[in-house]
Amino acid sequence: GAVVSQHPSRVICKSGTSVKIECRSLDFQATTMFWYRQFPKQSLMLMATSNEGSKATYEQGVEKDKFLINHASLTLSTLTVTSAHPEDSSFYICSARDPTGTEAFFGQGTRLTVV
Amino acid sequence: AQSVSQHNHHVILSEAASLELGCNYSYGGTVNLFWYVQYPGQHLQLLLKYFSGDPLVKGIKGFEAEFIKSKFSFNLRKPSVQWSDTAEYFCAVNGRSGNTPLVFGKGTRLSVIA
Repeated sequence: GAVVSQHPSRVICKSGTSVKIECRSLDFQATTMFWYRQFPKQSLMLMATSNEGSKATYEQGVEKDKFLINHASLTLSTLTVTSAHPEDSSFYICSARDPTGTEAFFGQGTRLTVV
Repeated sequence: AQSVSQHNHHVILSEAASLELGCNYSYGGTVNLFWYVQYPGQHLQLLLKYFSGDPLVKGIKGFEAEFIKSKFSFNLRKPSVQWSDTAEYFCAVNGRSGNTPLVFGKGTRLSVIA
């Protein structure tokens, strides 16, 4: 199946700094990617839909100025957590649908810890 | 509004017991349905999926699920669980058309004891 690669897998940063997470579709082009957030022992919550060449669409309650999304190419979307705070500590997962549009593939996830 | 409801928060079973995890969804339009598994410390893995055709879908590791359209349900089953099935299970749905994201249920934690 299609492969979605996410980097880094783990990151620890100081409060107030910014962190960039990359999501790549390795063997297919993804015009749309999705960013999810998963708190411990909870489900995945959709944060935003990343569209290649246009602005991302954010879900209600997600601060677009805090979670900057850039989808500059058909194989790369980035999520930047700006001015991170401890409450931003979470597991962030990206996803892309395959070219047939039927199945979603997930990155390995990024465990962000803000200290 | 689009939503997925998983009825069981935590299920504890003995090895060899049968498993059924409930999933109901609310979604306008034609849907694709999925079950994902997340083993401790690992990322999501697809167990099985339903797009169309036979409503009884067989997945990996002996899991199966049945789509009952009239009940908006997609319950996951396994005849005999193993200790290695201990994990978090997520039901998810997305729209058949367009690039719609997956909507996840809250998940069901399965603990299998020897």
